[in-house]
Amino acid sequence: NAGVTQTPKFRILKIGQSMTLQCTQDMNHNYMYWYRQDPGMGLKLIYYSVGAGITDKGEVPNGYNVSRSTTEDFPLRLELAAPSQTSVYFCASSYPGSGNTIYFGEGSWLTVV
Amino acid sequence: AQKVTQAQTEISVVEKEDVTLDCVYETRDTTYYLFWYKQPPSGELVFLIRRNSFDEQNEISGRYSWNFQKSTSSFNFTITASQVVDSAVYFCALSEARGNNRLAFGKGNQVVVIP
Repeated sequence: NAGVTQTPKFRILKIGQSMTLQCTQDMNHNYMYWYRQDPGMGLKLIYYSVGAGITDKGEVPNGYNVSRSTTEDFPLRLELAAPSQTSVYFCASSYPGSGNTIYFGEGSWLTVV
Repeated sequence: AQKVTQAQTEISVVEKEDVTLDCVYETRDTTYYLFWYKQPPSGELVFLIRRNSFDEQNEISGRYSWNFQKSTSSFNFTITASQVVDSAVYFCALSEARGNNRLAFGKGNQVVVIP
């Protein structure tokens, strides 16, 4: 029962570096999401996808890119990391008709120094 | 646009006391879902309850209960007889039926249960 798997779990980046957070799900879900959680705050939607080849911006997309080449994978790319991107990142998946049930990964802690 | 407001930030209670968390939401959709999630110190998100907009029946599940009132756009959550293991951040969230299951979260309530 893998569910939604995110890697890495922890990462420290230097300002200006780039990296990709990986997310994969084995439930054949159409919908996938990336959220970020800043200290003392709720989660905010970065990007989401309703199917392979389709992505759309969420509430806070600046500084990130995504792609969805397969149903299973939804990587999040950080270009030119900035301290403001220090956050916890959650990947999630869902499917139409699920009663809006969302399945979350365990989170990825990212620090930009 | 959907919006969720959790007014209290940190709530401290002594073990065995009840604690109620307030949640007020805004949405233009007539069909939507409301959730409560728990985030323990380990950081993962734990799904607790979900309610759809057509079901205002309030229920009790173990030590958890909720009070959903569409008239006041509120979805309050109560932990009865709190335990130390209940210490966590609790998030209220909203998802509109036409929103591709996207969630809008409140800022969360930090609950500290003192033994």
